[in-house]
Amino acid sequence: DTGVSQNPRHKITKRGQNVTFRCDPISEHNRLYWYRQTLGQGPEFLTYFQNEAQLEKSRLLSDRFSAERPKGSFSTLEIQRTEQGDSAMYLCASSLIEGLTEAFFGQGTRLTVV
Amino acid sequence: AQSVAQPEDQVNVAEGNPLTVKCTYSVSGNPYLFWYVQYPNRGLQFLLKYITGDNLVKGSYGFEAEFNKSQTSFHLKKPSALVSDSALYFCAVREWNSGNTPLVFGKGTRLSVIA
Repeated sequence: DTGVSQNPRHKITKRGQNVTFRCDPISEHNRLYWYRQTLGQGPEFLTYFQNEAQLEKSRLLSDRFSAERPKGSFSTLEIQRTEQGDSAMYLCASSLIEGLTEAFFGQGTRLTVV
Repeated sequence: AQSVAQPEDQVNVAEGNPLTVKCTYSVSGNPYLFWYVQYPNRGLQFLLKYITGDNLVKGSYGFEAEFNKSQTSFHLKKPSALVSDSALYFCAVREWNSGNTPLVFGKGTRLSVIA
């Protein structure tokens, strides 16, 4: 499968725990995006990378959220001290040159904080 | 700031009838427009995009969309709906040549095609 891969698909965690999600983009894509989607809403942009550089992170929801893409390939999104309000679907997408090509999305990681 | 409005939360249509899912947008420059579809427990799948040129854009699964600059709209259409088209549809926009802005999505419209 050469699409965008996200792991895990589902994560249930207790409030206060840290969680980390992984995204493997399409191999030749240099742009990688993280979005959050809650029930009844469209995807909400969080952050994105061009290769290993994080070009926008002001939309991350709080300082508990952080993302990395250390070698310009896969990326991780970490949420520290999870809260029930963090329960959502976290989507990763990748693309070639932004503005000229569409972004391809992974199937998402569904987080449930109990 | 860019924004997208999908005025209908739900659209119901009978199988075989034409369907329209509405989208209006707001950008300060030229728009770059997309439609995505989402099936249950799945990620978003790209349907079609408008960059420039012909205002009528054809995409996957028989869908098409018409760009109307004066009405700032990009409505999704299909001449004959199928039950399998039932899903959540998202319109998205970014400003052309705006550099690093991400896609901004609407809230989505749930399409239900009834047999």
